[in-house]
Amino acid sequence: QLQLQESGPGLVKPSETLSLTCTVSGGSISSSSYYWGWIRQPPGKGLEWIGSIYYSGSTYYNPSLKSRVTISVDTSKNQFSLKLSSVTAADTAVYYCARLELELPLCDYWGQGTLVTVSS
Amino acid sequence: QPVLTQSSSASASLGSSVKLTCTLSSGHSSYIIAWHQQQPGKAPRYLMKLEGSGSYNKGSGVPDRFSGSSSGADRYLTISNLQSEDEADYYCETWDSNTQVFGGGTKLTVL
Repeated sequence: QLQLQESGPGLVKPSETLSLTCTVSGGSISSSSYYWGWIRQPPGKGLEWIGSIYYSGSTYYNPSLKSRVTISVDTSKNQFSLKLSSVTAADTAVYYCARLELELPLCDYWGQGTLVTVSS
Repeated sequence: QPVLTQSSSASASLGSSVKLTCTLSSGHSSYIIAWHQQQPGKAPRYLMKLEGSGSYNKGSGVPDRFSGSSSGADRYLTISNLQSEDEADYYCETWDSNTQVFGGGTKLTVL
């Protein structure tokens, strides 16, 4: 059974960089059949796609966040990571990692999510 | 880029059926979508992928009570024999040009 688990600091100061890692178990991140993505959800609000990555390192970002986002993959650790720079209170959210099929890129597995609060 | 429109809320009685709608914007009526369920305090859960033809493919373990259908730009999620655990937010999702798009979500209340 595929599992995705987010990890990282739960509190980040304004203007600093948010860093999260998603560890994949029960499947290989190097599979040619999938993308891997990050989605966030501010408290009480809906879902917002941040970006996705293929195991080769090809990335796709939400245009509204592109200037601040970097997603990378470490196939040796079966992990992919998110960095979001220059954070503000508006970046406070639950951050989810997810798997997306390559040919029909919609989320079909989700991590449990991790709350990141931006506050001094 | 497609826009997905969902009603903000819906309600139905325990044991009854409810049909939730996700509407694709003009020019995107043929797009495939996914439906996700998010119970209170939990992560989203993938329910199904739904084509414009009405054909759908459910995720592992999704009860038979959940089904999908389509009409034009509308994509429907029907939940039969509503249970208390079906009270949740329901989101639709699609993609275009390497960009994911989510609808605003429908909050379903089971009376």
